[in-house]
Amino acid sequence: KNEVEQSPQNLTAQEGEFITINCSYSVGISALHWLQQHPGGGIVSLFMLSSGKKKHGRLIATINIQEKHSSLHITASHPRDSAVYICAVNTSGSRLTFGEGTQLTVNP
Amino acid sequence: DTEVTQTPKHLVMGMTNKKSLKCEQHMGHRAMYWYKQKAKKPPELMFVYSYEKLSINESVPSRFSPECPNSSLLNLHLHALQPEDSALYLCASSQGVLETQYFGPGTRLLVL
Repeated sequence: KNEVEQSPQNLTAQEGEFITINCSYSVGISALHWLQQHPGGGIVSLFMLSSGKKKHGRLIATINIQEKHSSLHITASHPRDSAVYICAVNTSGSRLTFGEGTQLTVNP
Repeated sequence: DTEVTQTPKHLVMGMTNKKSLKCEQHMGHRAMYWYKQKAKKPPELMFVYSYEKLSINESVPSRFSPECPNSSLLNLHLHALQPEDSALYLCASSQGVLETQYFGPGTRLLVL
């Protein structure tokens, strides 16, 4: 079993829909990251969380430390949101442990 | 400047070649990272430099040799690679080892 599990693996939505991607982890962490990777490779760091909730534009990330669970929400989804979303956690020092990623496709 | 740059964008090399990948950041970050990413898989950590010193080597084969000539630059020297080393090589940097990592666009490497 992976230390970081994401669900779903693949998600297809219609433009405008509210989207939720989930991340569960089984180890102690100092921080959790949500990353976005577009086709072609570049990775963008969306959020770093150690508690509570953060919002940036249409993106919201929450974390529940007791339940070892985080969610990434996208409101009013748009085709340009289509990408792979990766959950990663800091377990020891600088090491990031990555989830397998969620492939999101938003259709117009 | 919140950018990490990587050169080249694409690289094709034979198994006997020697080449280098370059990564640069001017954000004053003191931690820099090399990752390898195969298709449809998450990145795998290769090396971490902290304050220009190698702090983590994830048992990477010696045909990959990292170098941090100064606080802004990180190189990855490649020699005698195998076809299975073909992947996207990502560089990242962060202010400190527990801070947000900023990723470069990657170098797509093909070993023939």
